[in-house]
Amino acid sequence: DTAVSQTPKYLVTQMGNDKSIKCEQNLGHDTMYWYKQDSKKFLKIMFSYNNKELIINETVPNRFSPKSPDKAHLNLHINSLELGDSAVYFCASSQVSGVAKNIQYFGAGTRLSVL
Amino acid sequence: AQSVAQPEDQVNVAEGNPLTVKCTYSVSGNPYLFWYVQYPNRGLQFLLKYITGDNLVKGSYGFEAEFNKSQTSFHLKKPSALVSDSALYFCAVRGGNYGQNFVFGPGTRLSVLP
Repeated sequence: DTAVSQTPKYLVTQMGNDKSIKCEQNLGHDTMYWYKQDSKKFLKIMFSYNNKELIINETVPNRFSPKSPDKAHLNLHINSLELGDSAVYFCASSQVSGVAKNIQYFGAGTRLSVL
Repeated sequence: AQSVAQPEDQVNVAEGNPLTVKCTYSVSGNPYLFWYVQYPNRGLQFLLKYITGDNLVKGSYGFEAEFNKSQTSFHLKKPSALVSDSALYFCAVRGGNYGQNFVFGPGTRLSVLP
């Protein structure tokens, strides 16, 4: 079983559209994250979220919003897509206590191409 | 503000030789430090971490890293490189103060030559 799974793996869409990327983790973790990796492989955290707190990177446009229906899921919604949103988006999860505290497990990524 | 620097974009090493991938950081409070590896078209995989305790940390695949508080460094090392170690390596830090998030370095591409 895949620990952190993202869908879709590839997403090609037009500028101005609204799209969502889904993420699920079956590790029982209490914190989930979204990262953006640009074409130069630079990795930037967008959000971290547990059932108590959302920490937003202040540089993330408000067109991006996380939605968490339950502890195992953190979906990423993007409104009014722009060319600069093209990147690989990674979901990750971790737990806040125990031996494995703060170790993040990453999904395989979603490659978003905005045309 | 938290930051991580990996001063080398690329490190080349011959198979069997020791390797070092450098990382320096800046955080508020005590640092939580991590190394991750990324293979092509894959997500990041955890290698090792330093939270507290011994400054020399051992991790997966024979990698280790040394925490140096005075130099604010956390260099990744391996005594004998393998061709299969060729990948992109990320250093990451999280400050110990409440509400701080993870910051990743820009990555260092390691090429191990046969």
